[in-house]
Amino acid sequence: GAVVSQHPSWVICKSGTSVKIECRSLDFQATTMFWYRQFPKQSLMLMATSNEGSKATYEQGVEKDKFLINHASLTLSTLTVTSAHPEDSSFYICSARVRVGYTFGSGTRLTVV
Amino acid sequence: QKEVEQDPGPLSVPEGAIVSLNCTYSNSAFQYFMWYRQYSRKGPELLMYTYSSGNKEDGRFTAQVDKSSKYISLFIRDSQPSDSATYLCATGGETSGSRLTFGEGTQLTVNP
Repeated sequence: GAVVSQHPSWVICKSGTSVKIECRSLDFQATTMFWYRQFPKQSLMLMATSNEGSKATYEQGVEKDKFLINHASLTLSTLTVTSAHPEDSSFYICSARVRVGYTFGSGTRLTVV
Repeated sequence: QKEVEQDPGPLSVPEGAIVSLNCTYSNSAFQYFMWYRQYSRKGPELLMYTYSSGNKEDGRFTAQVDKSSKYISLFIRDSQPSDSATYLCATGGETSGSRLTFGEGTQLTVNP
């Protein structure tokens, strides 16, 4: 089936640094990638929708300058958390629409210290 | 009012029990309905996908959709400890730009 490979699975970074998360569609072309954020014991919150070759669409309240999304090819989308702070610590997940439903990456646990 | 309401639980059942998970939604434009299972610190995995009212069965899992009452359910028969996870209902439609709307998730524990 369609697989989205997400890396890294976990990352610890110092406050003020930037972190890049990659999602690759392995056996299909993802024209649209969805980026979610999930806090413990909560559901997924959509952060932004990225389309290949165009600017991402951010949800209300999501800082586009802090969460930079790039979707330069049909198989790769990246989320960069810039100048990370402890409140950015969370579980980040990407997702792409496939023939049946949506497939999700395995998630990235970000801890900012 | 949230577009999708799901009882967050937690739900604890003995092994072998029948589990019923439910969601209601408010947007009649939603066209497709999904159930995802999410293990701790993992991405969600698709269990069931349907776009019509009625029942859809896959092994021990049955998804039920009633568009007239905007109600969706997931039944798990002969529940196993390996079914212990968080279950998320999700729905969407073309008018929402293909974006999914999730329920809060129900945490299920199946005790051996």
